[in-house]
Amino acid sequence: DAGVIQSPRHEVTEMGQEVTLRCKPISGHNSLFWYRQTMMRGLELLIYFNNNVPIDDSGMPEDRFSAKMPNASFSTLKIQPSEPRDSAVYFCASSPQGNTEAFFGQGTRLTVV
Amino acid sequence: QKEVEQNSGPLSVPEGAIASLNCTYSDRGSQSFFWYRQYSGKSPELIMSIYSNGDKEDGRFTAQLNKASQYVSLLIRDSQPSDSATYLCAACDSSASKIIFGSGTRLSIRP
Repeated sequence: DAGVIQSPRHEVTEMGQEVTLRCKPISGHNSLFWYRQTMMRGLELLIYFNNNVPIDDSGMPEDRFSAKMPNASFSTLKIQPSEPRDSAVYFCASSPQGNTEAFFGQGTRLTVV
Repeated sequence: QKEVEQNSGPLSVPEGAIASLNCTYSDRGSQSFFWYRQYSGKSPELIMSIYSNGDKEDGRFTAQLNKASQYVSLLIRDSQPSDSATYLCAACDSSASKIIFGSGTRLSIRP
């Protein structure tokens, strides 16, 4: 299996623009997680899905952030409008089921200028 | 309050020695615990999973879990320079759904 695939790997955008991050989980995995990592705050859970359904989005920082999982093989995280403080590395991870380990994608490094 | 706590380090250990990394968690109902290794600029990589009290060994790595004390640790024997990285402790919450990470401990193995 190719593992969790994220795109793009790097994104530089201007403040106010819309940003969409994409994730393809490992085939057969039922849970999908979006994390954000910064030096100051570490690895923060933004939202997670189970069987394509959003279960807990309490980590989403603001209404500017939204996430979807239209099917078992694809998820997006959208930021609209983007702000410089959104600059971070965003990771997508998937796990076979609840209570088991998660496997990470390579991440998207987002820079908002 | 952070749900998973780790000492941020850096922890410096001489090559060949045992590195000991510690972690505490606040959700007493947590059932699954994980250690990840993250090299600079890379994504977290799973090293160990542990679900029951006691020790679990895999090669040079031993994970220890004490649910009564809400404490998880990772021992790395015969430390190598390639073990220099940030080690993240994670716990799956009592709903058995979301995985919460500590802030990580930076480990440096000096030759």
